[in-house]
Amino acid sequence: NAGVTQTPKFQVLKTGQSMTLQCAQDMNHNSMYWYRQDPGMGLRLIYYSASEGTTDKGEVPNGYNVSRLNKREFSLRLESAAPSQTSVYFCASRAAGQGPGELFFGEGSRLTVL
Amino acid sequence: AQSVTQPDIHITVSEGASLELRCNYSYGATPYLFWYVQSPGQGLQLLLKYFSGDTLVQGIKGFEAEFKRSQSSFNLRKPSVHWSDAAEYFCAVAAYGGATNKLIFGTGTLLAVQP
Repeated sequence: NAGVTQTPKFQVLKTGQSMTLQCAQDMNHNSMYWYRQDPGMGLRLIYYSASEGTTDKGEVPNGYNVSRLNKREFSLRLESAAPSQTSVYFCASRAAGQGPGELFFGEGSRLTVL
Repeated sequence: AQSVTQPDIHITVSEGASLELRCNYSYGATPYLFWYVQSPGQGLQLLLKYFSGDTLVQGIKGFEAEFKRSQSSFNLRKPSVHWSDAAEYFCAVAAYGGATNKLIFGTGTLLAVQP
């Protein structure tokens, strides 16, 4: 079972470049999330999508955009990357009715912005 | 606002020794509390959760946690640590609202296991 798949796993960008992180889940989950993980700061929510066609801002949305393409896929876009966006990004998903917080995580995408 | 505090950034224990990782939360209502584990280079995996009822909850890999409302704590314990338990551990509280919910994570505790 693949679960939650993120691509790419590693990426190096120059300041000002754009890129999209892809996330797909094969568990038929309704809700999907993007978090970033930084040393000493835990995981912080960037955006989430309660269901197909809806997206909402999390704690740190500035500099990011998201698209819930269909039920399976939830992408995160950096339009003009900045060094402050160097981080490890995690996508997660949750089934409806599973109870609050039972998230399934991908393996992460490590992004470096020079 | 909801928040989670993990006061220990880094803990080292000997293999076979007992373990307790601390977690304190701030939440206005009955909290939904979780512990996740992250092995190096991996995503997070749910260890256990507390929603209601029995305040001592059992999880995977021999872990347990106790919810203490009076102390606003949800500490993670294991009686005998194995080398494979070396990882980073995150406590989280669910901020439940609307059509979905959001997890608020602590900053994590990195566990090292000495042979």
